Amino acid sequence: DAGVTQSPTHLIKTRGQHVTLRCSPISGHKSVSWYQQVLGQGPQFIFQYYEKEERGRGNFPDRFSARQFPNYSSELNVNALLLGDSALYLCASSLAFGAGNTIYFGEGSWLTVV
Amino acid sequence: AQTVTQSQPEMSVQEAETVTLSCTYDTSESDYYLFWYKQPPSRQMILVIRQEAYKQQNATENRFSVNFQKAAKSFSLKISDSQLGDAAMYFCAYREMNYGGSQGNLIFGKGTKLSVKP
Repeated sequence: DAGVTQSPTHLIKTRGQHVTLRCSPISGHKSVSWYQQVLGQGPQFIFQYYEKEERGRGNFPDRFSARQFPNYSSELNVNALLLGDSALYLCASSLAFGAGNTIYFGEGSWLTVV
Repeated sequence: AQTVTQSQPEMSVQEAETVTLSCTYDTSESDYYLFWYKQPPSRQMILVIRQEAYKQQNATENRFSVNFQKAAKSFSLKISDSQLGDAAMYFCAYREMNYGGSQGNLIFGKGTKLSVKP
């Protein structure tokens, strides 16, 4: 079975532009989360979705938004890109809602803002 | 707010030897989960081991084991018989139990880079 898949794997954007990152969870998983990992740091929580509803939001500006589709895939959108948005964006999925469910990560999308 | 601290930015171990990675955390909760994740150069976070705070027994997964000291809020990872493939960034993470509200996101430390010498 396929794991968590993310696209694109690498991309370069210019300051002020918009970016959309995509994630397909493991088949059967209904919960998707997004994390930002800046170089040299641990991942930081951005959003969590379950059954197409937002269930958690980290300390990120309103330029960051996300949504989950009926097939449980998800998009992360970032508007008005800043240099500081350069990071690895990790998507994670779990079978259901609840902290007891194991979280599985994708390989991430590398975003470089120039 | 909960925090996770990994005080060893880098560690090195000889192949076949044992190494211990340290992690401390701060929380006022009594029920929570703790994890160790491995991140190789491929960048995919891989779950190594998890511990439920209500369990006194330390978790073990093959060559990986933890020393969970709840009162001291310490959660170290021991890797026995180290292999070249163990070389990676290791992240300690905390997650609070869900009691009907938010699932509880993962809170990560800054990581420890482990090198394995042949």
